[in-house]
Amino acid sequence: KAGVTQTPRYLIKTRGQQVTLSCSPISGHRSVSWYQQTPGQGLQFLFEYFSETQRNKGNFPGRFSGRQFSNSRSEMNVSTLELGDSALYLCASSPGTPVDTQYFGPGTRLTVL
Amino acid sequence: EDQVTQSPEALRLQEGESSSLNCSYTVSGLRGLFWYRQDPGKGPEFLFTLYSAGEEKEKERLKATLTKKESFLHITAPKPEDSATYLCAVQGSYDKVIFGPGTSLSVIP
Repeated sequence: KAGVTQTPRYLIKTRGQQVTLSCSPISGHRSVSWYQQTPGQGLQFLFEYFSETQRNKGNFPGRFSGRQFSNSRSEMNVSTLELGDSALYLCASSPGTPVDTQYFGPGTRLTVL
Repeated sequence: EDQVTQSPEALRLQEGESSSLNCSYTVSGLRGLFWYRQDPGKGPEFLFTLYSAGEEKEKERLKATLTKKESFLHITAPKPEDSATYLCAVQGSYDKVIFGPGTSLSVIP
């Protein structure tokens, strides 16, 4: 089975711009979660989508949003980028069962200048 | 509030020197505890899922155990390729998966 794929792998943006990241989950997985990872804060949960609906949300401002399509692929969007948004953004997919083992993609490294 | 702590923050071992990493958690209604390893610049790689106290799982040189308050990842006779950051995470009754800060392991030849 192919693993979780994320595009692009690297991105450089300037403050005030917006960015869209994409995630394709493992075939058959219906849940996609997004995380932000920084050296100081570790892995922080952004949101989870299941069957095109946001099921859980972390404590991030409204500039961070996401969506999931009918084929389970997901996108996350960050508007009005700030320097502090520079991070590794990780996508994880899981079957969507009550106890979810998550499988991570390689991440998108976002640098905001 | 659900919380996960890990100790030590960093661990340096000689090749072949066995040790254990600790994950302490506070969660409402534990549904699952997960261990991952992460290499620099890469996504976490799944290792184990534990569901209830008393459960143990093994994979090569790694063995994970679970009690009602903590989990241990035992590393037996580690090799340099075991060097990585090891992450612990829990899923409680609120469904969110909460990650600990990780333990950075270095195995010296």
